[in-house]
Amino acid sequence: GDSVTQMEGPVTLSEEAFLTINCTYTATGYPSLFWYVQYPGEGLQLLLKATKADDKGSNKGFEATYRKETTSFHLEKGSVQVSDSAVYFCALASGGSYIPTFGRGTSLIVHP
Amino acid sequence: GAVVSQHPSRVICKSGTSVKIECRSLDFQATTMFWYRQFPKQSLMLMATSNEGSKATYEQGVEKDKFLINHASLTLSTLTVTSAHPEDSSFYICSARALSAGNNEQFFGPGTRLTVL
Repeated sequence: GDSVTQMEGPVTLSEEAFLTINCTYTATGYPSLFWYVQYPGEGLQLLLKATKADDKGSNKGFEATYRKETTSFHLEKGSVQVSDSAVYFCALASGGSYIPTFGRGTSLIVHP
Repeated sequence: GAVVSQHPSRVICKSGTSVKIECRSLDFQATTMFWYRQFPKQSLMLMATSNEGSKATYEQGVEKDKFLINHASLTLSTLTVTSAHPEDSSFYICSARALSAGNNEQFFGPGTRLTVL
């Protein structure tokens, strides 16, 4: 079945550092890929998505590129801020269901 | 953006009692609502999908008689954990899919932390 593997956290960075959170997936067919973010005390929010190979999703300075050859969708940001501290979930949805299969989440802590 | 609320945010109950969790879409109508369960440091696991006015569809391994789902209106779904036991302690998250055509995005609630003593 479909599955998502993302790096374990927490990831701890200083403000303005470069961020990478790795995500790889296993799926039949050609899934859509997502990154969700959960700020403390809030629900999950869709951060960005990509629906086909080589697509790049981007939002709020975050980017991720759909790499079919490596089945990856790594999240990157060039310069993180304290306000980016949150838990980030990689997810996929296949078969047109749009019901995501989630990874375990990676906690990001950004220090001033 | 669309807002989904859950109530309560935290609940502690005694073993054997039942607990009801509400999920509301505040500024949109939801044809479909989803209930997830999340264990510490693990993925969100889909428990069930509910469509307004019809019975919920449960994922394999989820006991429908233990986790009762009611989706009585386009803005409210409830999850009742019946005869709760300590192993039911978990973080329960709902999401809602908007009624508007062409938009399959789910909007998530903030979650409910259930602790069964």
